[in-house]
Amino acid sequence: GESVGLHLPTLSVQEGDNSIINCAYSNSASDYFIWYKQESGKGPQFIIDIRSNMDKRQGQRVTVLLNKTVKHLSLQIAATQPGDSAVYFCAENRNSGNTPLVFGKGTRLSVIA
Amino acid sequence: GAGVSQTPSNKVTEKGKYVELRCDPISGHTALYWYRQSLGQGPEFLIYFQGTGAADDSGLPNDRFFAVRPEGSVSTLKIQRTERGDSAVYLCASSPPSGRAPNEQFFGPGTRLTVL
Repeated sequence: GESVGLHLPTLSVQEGDNSIINCAYSNSASDYFIWYKQESGKGPQFIIDIRSNMDKRQGQRVTVLLNKTVKHLSLQIAATQPGDSAVYFCAENRNSGNTPLVFGKGTRLSVIA
Repeated sequence: GAGVSQTPSNKVTEKGKYVELRCDPISGHTALYWYRQSLGQGPEFLIYFQGTGAADDSGLPNDRFFAVRPEGSVSTLKIQRTERGDSAVYLCASSPPSGRAPNEQFFGPGTRLTVL
């Protein structure tokens, strides 16, 4: 399928190492943030989310950190695996409830076996 | 259960033609969203529905783009007089009713539209 993100910043990580992907968001009024993983030819897949009243949330092998002071979001992936290779997007929601997401620029994660 | 499905997966058309892209959301999801993703970019919002009505269509680029969701389930994105700049992947997402993880949007695989 078509490759997503041919001109995106790339992070190359050795298999087994931890990965950190960063994202800056623009609207201080945003109250909900999501990280999505997108593999080539597929739609974005939900990884983890966090609300603005939290600064850290952990999932399975993933952790999201939110710094509202500097409007920064990061995704940490522990023990990165080849299957983690994909483009990662952060997204913010600027209102509560069912409203559209605003996506940031993606980062391509390349895992070196 | 089934996820969000989109048809066709690929659509090639000629400049000036009309196209329809279909989205089947997850059963029970009341909100449905259309996004457009150009190569190397993140998805950009086009329009979203709550039930049958368009709650926000501010992302539609011009009046050649239109979307419907007549029965509150399946949605069709319609593009008239297609232009080469319309070439992109069109993504559909749905989310549960408000009050049940309302902001988590589940995406379909997308329709890749190519306008020659």
